[in-house]
Amino acid sequence: EADIYQTPRYLVIGTGKKITLECSQTMGHDKMYWYQQDPGMELHLIHYSYGVNSTEKGDLSSESTVSRIRTEHFPLTLESARPSHTSQYLCASSVKAGDTQYFGPGTRLTVL
Amino acid sequence: AQKITQTQPGMFVQEKEAVTLDCTYDTSDQSYGLFWYKQPSSGEMIFLIYQGSYDEQNATEGRYSLNFQKARKSANLVISASQLGDSAMYFCAMSAYSGGGADGLTFGKGTHLIIQP
Repeated sequence: EADIYQTPRYLVIGTGKKITLECSQTMGHDKMYWYQQDPGMELHLIHYSYGVNSTEKGDLSSESTVSRIRTEHFPLTLESARPSHTSQYLCASSVKAGDTQYFGPGTRLTVL
Repeated sequence: AQKITQTQPGMFVQEKEAVTLDCTYDTSDQSYGLFWYKQPSSGEMIFLIYQGSYDEQNATEGRYSLNFQKARKSANLVISASQLGDSAMYFCAMSAYSGGGADGLTFGKGTHLIIQP
């Protein structure tokens, strides 16, 4: 069973606030990913990382930013939240490219 | 570019019956992986089964099996003896080993499976 954690699970905030979504894994995986999923829809990759100090943008353009200072930690930040950012954000990790990705429980973000 | 197509938006199945969820894919990569994930209403993504493009045998994991037909580019999920707890969204996904570029998964739109008692 994968050990990957996300906090908070649910977040309701007002427009203009800065938020950070936390993601941590204890498996020592080098590869980490952030996906965005609107209700009832497929997941889209917004950010990924190959390891410490590595971050890349995914297929779906996003106003969020990420950092990877430690192997186990891959937080996502929105500097100024807007209602269009309302979505579920899922973090995942894998041993290497192409391998099975294990997901955290997700953060459901609502921006009012 | 990779593409996953799931043509069944929703399915109703009687408990204990077998279920087949369809998935077709399109890719120009020779080496790739195919995955199925289950997403209950709570939102987490649960990994079910994996098939590599060079694997000659169909993958099996307990009640789950993957019917891999490479020439037809299909990777259907079969759930034997369905249970009420199988009710969820099911996503087919693929990765490529081409190296470079984004190596995240490409997902289909999902199938909402409802098991009826």
